[in-house]
Amino acid sequence: DQQVKQNSPSLSVQEGRISILNCDYTNSMFDYFLWYKKYPAEGPTFLISISSIKDKNEDGRFTVFLNKSAKHLSLHIVPSQPGDSAVYFCAASSQTSGSRLTFGEGTQLTVNP
Amino acid sequence: GAGVSQSPSNKVTEKGKDVELRCDPISGHTALYWYRQRLGQGLEFLIYFQGNSAPDKSGLPSDRFSAERTGESVSTLTIQRTQQEDSAVYLCASSTQASGNTIYFGEGSWLTVV
Repeated sequence: DQQVKQNSPSLSVQEGRISILNCDYTNSMFDYFLWYKKYPAEGPTFLISISSIKDKNEDGRFTVFLNKSAKHLSLHIVPSQPGDSAVYFCAASSQTSGSRLTFGEGTQLTVNP
Repeated sequence: GAGVSQSPSNKVTEKGKDVELRCDPISGHTALYWYRQRLGQGLEFLIYFQGNSAPDKSGLPSDRFSAERTGESVSTLTIQRTQQEDSAVYLCASSTQASGNTIYFGEGSWLTVV
């Protein structure tokens, strides 16, 4: 039962353009969502998060949008840079799960110079 | 160091052998998690320790897997009678109430069972 899904295993964009990574979830109890970035041979690093009381959170080039009615969130990176090339994981948690996160399968983003 | 530390970073073992993986969480972090990522797959929850509470073991895939944590410090994940499907990177993470739902990962222990 995959409660968090990232349907695109890979995404390729040109440097300077916008990257949009998508994530869908099925558990309506989820109330906190995060994006992690992972480079090869490294552990995932926290990127940005959003609480279910908001529909948008912005941090520099990174913006996360949450659509609760659609159970969908997205990560926008603009402008994209070659150093952004990594695997991006969407994660979710609920008050009942504490800090336990449920992760999606990840999307490999490649930003071409 | 200030981050989550894991050892060994790489381990190759023969099928049927036992392995132990170690995690040193960030100092002061009361919560500790083990996840694993098999090739081409997402992060799979294994076990969660929070302070002195009973651990949440609901993600352990079989009784060959076990984990312990000493107080609010080091944790060891033990895999007995390893199988080839246990090959994965095993990721430890820690968090504190002050970090909310954000957890911080180590670099992982890469396990290959041959």
